[in-house]
Amino acid sequence: GQSLEQPSEVTAVEGAIVQINCTYQTSGFYGLSWYQQHDGGAPTFLSYNALDGLEETGRFSSFLSRSDSYGYLLLQELQMKDSASYFCAVRGGNNRLAFGKGNQVVVIP
Amino acid sequence: DTAVSQTPKYLVTQMGNDKSIKCEQNLGHDTMYWYKQDSKKFLKIMFSYNNKELIINETVPNRFSPKSPDKAHLNLHINSLELGDSAVYFCASGGGSYEQYFGPGTRLTVT
Repeated sequence: GQSLEQPSEVTAVEGAIVQINCTYQTSGFYGLSWYQQHDGGAPTFLSYNALDGLEETGRFSSFLSRSDSYGYLLLQELQMKDSASYFCAVRGGNNRLAFGKGNQVVVIP
Repeated sequence: DTAVSQTPKYLVTQMGNDKSIKCEQNLGHDTMYWYKQDSKKFLKIMFSYNNKELIINETVPNRFSPKSPDKAHLNLHINSLELGDSAVYFCASGGGSYEQYFGPGTRLTVT
C-alpha cells in the first residue's frame, strides 16, 4: 500500500521561499511527482523526481531522497499566483499516482 | 484546443438517480484515468484504462462503471447515486511517462 504525509497549510509573503515536505511509504516506487491546484481548478504537473537529488524548473525545485522516503518542493520568489494547493504523488506500477493530502500555500502581499 | 475535456462541469442530482460523466482527450495518449477529490481535497485514483483495456480498478463500489469506447474517451457511469458520492471527479490522461494531464473536473452534488 501507499501513504503520504504532507503538512496542511503555510502562509508566506511575496518574494519569500517556502518548502513543502513529503514523506511516503509505499510498496512500489517509480518516482515522486508534484502537482499544483488552484481553487476550483484542475491539478497541473509541476515536476518529477525518479532519482535522488534536486530538479530545478524556474522558480520551483523538487528534491528526492529515496533512502529516506522523503521529498520536498521548494517555491522561490513567491508570487501571488502561487497561492494554491500543492500535492506530492508517488508514481507506482501502471503509472498509478497516489496523492498526498496536499499543502495549501497562501501568499500575502 | 482543450487537451482533456469533461462534461458536464456541474451535476446536481437526487439520491438514487443514475448519471454519466464524459471525458475526451486530444493528446493522443494511450492511458486515461478517473480520480475522485473529496471535500477535504483528497485526490484518489478510481480507474485507469490503457488503450481501452482496464488496468487499474481501485476499491470502488460497483455502482461506478467506467467505459472506454476508444482510447480518446473514458466515460464514468454511476448508478443509484448516494450522498457520499458528492465530490469533484477528474479525468486525466497520460502518454506512458510520469506526467498526467487533468481535465477541468466535474463537480457532482447529490441531494
